[in-house]
Amino acid sequence: QQQVKQSPQSLIVQKGGISIINCAYENTAFDYFPWYQQFPGKGPALLIAIRPDVSEKKEGRFTISFNKSAKQFSLHIMDSQPGDSATYFCAAGGSTLGRLYFGRGTQLTVWP
Amino acid sequence: NAGVMQNPRHLVRRRGQEARLRCSPMKGHSHVYWYRQLPEEGLKFMVYLQKENIIDESGMPKERFSAEFPKEGPSILRIQQVVRGDSAAYFCASSPAGGPYEQYFGPGTRLTVT
Repeated sequence: QQQVKQSPQSLIVQKGGISIINCAYENTAFDYFPWYQQFPGKGPALLIAIRPDVSEKKEGRFTISFNKSAKQFSLHIMDSQPGDSATYFCAAGGSTLGRLYFGRGTQLTVWP
Repeated sequence: NAGVMQNPRHLVRRRGQEARLRCSPMKGHSHVYWYRQLPEEGLKFMVYLQKENIIDESGMPKERFSAEFPKEGPSILRIQQVVRGDSAAYFCASSPAGGPYEQYFGPGTRLTVT
């Protein structure tokens, strides 16, 4: 059973555009929602994370929007650049869980 | 501050051999997690360890797989009698405190079973 559902599977965006990746979850024990960026042949790198006490968190061009009632959260990449082309994973965890549950990933391609 | 280190980066084993994957957590981190990634798939949790303790091994196959994190030295993921289906990238992550917060990943070990 996939505890975190991520969409779309792949995304193509023009340089300068906005990339949006969505995730949904069911487990109300989740209270930590990170996003990871992974380049081919590399390990996932922690990009940005949010807790449910806020609805939005912004770091540079990356923003997480969080909707607690809908159990959904999304990553927005503003002014997308070719260097942002990578696979992005959402994840969820909880203080009583120890582990992270990952979405299946979104392969983002930004055309120059 | 050095990141999470994993070695070897690439490992080739024949069917039936043993594979040993090593992970040194970030300095000051005492919690280690192992994940497996198959091509075109997400990361699947395998095991969560603290020094000398296995906290959660619910994602690890009961047979052939084992993990440890001794008082001294790196964490080891051991796969006995490897089969072709074990071919994957194995990632280790570490965090500074209990719980999943701020897990930092290593570069991974790519295991190929021939």
